[in-house]
Amino acid sequence: EIVLTQSPGTLSLSPGERATLSCRASQSVRNTYLAWYQQKPGQAPRLLIYGASSRATGIPDRFSGSGSGTDFTLTISRLEPEDFAVYYCQQYGSSPSLTFGQGTKVEIK
Amino acid sequence: QVRLLESGPGLVKPSETLSLTCVVSGDSLTRGYYWGWVRQSPGKGLEWIGSVSQTGGTYYKSSLRSRLTISIDTSRKQFSLKVTSATAADTAVYYCSRHGSVRGDYGINYFDTWGPGTLVIVSS
Repeated sequence: EIVLTQSPGTLSLSPGERATLSCRASQSVRNTYLAWYQQKPGQAPRLLIYGASSRATGIPDRFSGSGSGTDFTLTISRLEPEDFAVYYCQQYGSSPSLTFGQGTKVEIK
Repeated sequence: QVRLLESGPGLVKPSETLSLTCVVSGDSLTRGYYWGWVRQSPGKGLEWIGSVSQTGGTYYKSSLRSRLTISIDTSRKQFSLKVTSATAADTAVYYCSRHGSVRGDYGINYFDTWGPGTLVIVSS
């Protein structure tokens, strides 16, 4: 099973700042099959990025994903008030064994 | 626009079977997509449980396989989850979800659509 480790656990930033979230895999993720999700309290996760860098339908372009192999990054170029949430990465390169990271909370500083 | 909605008992006794159903609206279950279940224990992260294809092929998390059954009824536009021998560790919000497509191919991959989730508590 591929273990995904996200860092930092919590990111304290102000609106307008840039957020950089990391997701590191215990082994190489085949074909950059990595997705990112946003989850707000009491809500289901929402798909942001798939294939490491492709934005899902309706996702603003301030969200971008990059990376390959074992290291992946989600960048939010300028934080909007609605972006403060928990973010999860998920790999599907070892499908049908799917795993998620433990999450990074982006909170208002 | 496809919508998913979970339903089932919110309280299950230990050692009994946890049963949930996901009803799909706005889409057919025969277009090739795979459908899955993800759970989230209180205050914790996300855990993939298992998935099912439109033809009934099933894929389970290895550590849970012995207790899981996922089935699909395309005519009723729903799929279901059963977890036998429930324990407190199965207490979680359960989400049903749809897998996406990768370059036009359907499979067990990312989740592009989610239900709102339903909380199941295992307690006597």
